[in-house]
Amino acid sequence: KQEVTQIPAALSVPEGENLVLNCSFTDSAIYNLQWFRQDPGKGLTSLLLIQSSQREQTSGRLNASLDKSSGRSTLYIAASQPGDSATYLCAVPFMGNEKLTFGTGTRLTIIP
Amino acid sequence: GAVVSQHPSRVICKSGTSVKIECRSLDFQATTMFWYRQFPKQSLMLMATSNEGSKATYEQGVEKDKFLINHASLTLSTLTVTSAHPEDSSFYICSARVIGTGGYYGYTFGSGTRLTVV
Repeated sequence: KQEVTQIPAALSVPEGENLVLNCSFTDSAIYNLQWFRQDPGKGLTSLLLIQSSQREQTSGRLNASLDKSSGRSTLYIAASQPGDSATYLCAVPFMGNEKLTFGTGTRLTIIP
Repeated sequence: GAVVSQHPSRVICKSGTSVKIECRSLDFQATTMFWYRQFPKQSLMLMATSNEGSKATYEQGVEKDKFLINHASLTLSTLTVTSAHPEDSSFYICSARVIGTGGYYGYTFGSGTRLTVV
């Protein structure tokens, strides 16, 4: 069964710290992997998109890596800020399926 | 970047009435759109996939007569919740697949609609 898992489910860190969120998927045959953030009561905001041929993508304080062979991706957030508090979701379209399969999400709280 | 506009953001309706939610792609053509439902503190649940000019494909367990999806143009998909009941109260989000250069694509999401049925 094609599944996406995120660990941890929740994370609280003091402001200013660097942190890593993890995403794992059961099938390495993916088109790409996308990281999103969701604020309470809001839609999803795309953070980073990594194509299957790429190893990482960077945007500002965010860096996402992709290791297809091991079925893992990480989202690195540098110098965390209270505004980073949100739920972070990773999602993949497995090959042969245009639908996105979402991870379970990590609820991040940055403590001022 | 590719933007999907979803309206309304919040709607309260009486039990038994119907509610229409619109999802528009603003700066690109969306041949495929997706409709999700999200319960509090849970991840998104795919309800259906809509393709422009054809019937929507519903996920198992989703009542197609209750959740009517229309994708009549390349920039507009609508979800109509018919004969709404309190258990239909939820957060509904649309999404569109974006085809980029080199055939690469990602997904962009609307801002969601909070439906409350009283």
